Amino acid sequence: GAVVSQHPSWVICKSGTSVKIECRSLDFQATTMFWYRQFPKQSLMLMATSNEGSKATYEQGVEKDKFLINHASLTLSTLTVTSAHPEDSSFYICSARDRSPNYGLAGEQYFGPGTRLTVT
Amino acid sequence: AQSVTQLDSHVSVSEGTPVLLRCNYSSSYSPSLFWYVQHPNKGLQLLLKYTSAATLVKGINGFEAEFKKSETSFHLTKPSAHMSDAAEYFCVVMREAAGNKLTFGGGTRVLVKP
Repeated sequence: GAVVSQHPSWVICKSGTSVKIECRSLDFQATTMFWYRQFPKQSLMLMATSNEGSKATYEQGVEKDKFLINHASLTLSTLTVTSAHPEDSSFYICSARDRSPNYGLAGEQYFGPGTRLTVT
Repeated sequence: AQSVTQLDSHVSVSEGTPVLLRCNYSSSYSPSLFWYVQHPNKGLQLLLKYTSAATLVKGINGFEAEFKKSETSFHLTKPSAHMSDAAEYFCVVMREAAGNKLTFGGGTRVLVKP
């Protein structure tokens, strides 16, 4: 089946530093990946859509200069949290949509296991 | 605009009894709907999806959901709960007019009592 990995699974960083999170589709190609944020005991909120070879599109209220997204290949997207602060502590989840001939029929996304970021 | 509302934030059931998780959606078009499960500190797993085919959708682990257009509902059920069903469940609608983005409901936490 379609597998999406994230690295690291958890990270602790100091306030003011930057953290990079990787999202990889392991056995399929993904032209589109999505980044979500989940606060404790809350639902997932879409942050941005990452398109291979082009700029990411951000949801309203998400600072693009703070959350840098790069989708350099069909199997890798990265999210960099710049100048992290304690309020950025959260669970970050990526998903990838299979670039298969069935693209667009169901739009199923495959989710990574998430990265827990703690900023001290 | 599309949205999804999960009517119960918490559901508690005894092992072996039925589970019902309620979800109502709002959509301008015929929607694609999904149910995902999230176990603690784990990623999301797709339980089932509705994409305008059969209105009764069967998923993994004995779950099923029925799409009712007249009620704008997509409730998730399982006839007999297992301890391993304790998790967070999300009802999700796909925004086809917005590049197939997903909108998540608030989630329902299921507790299974022995």
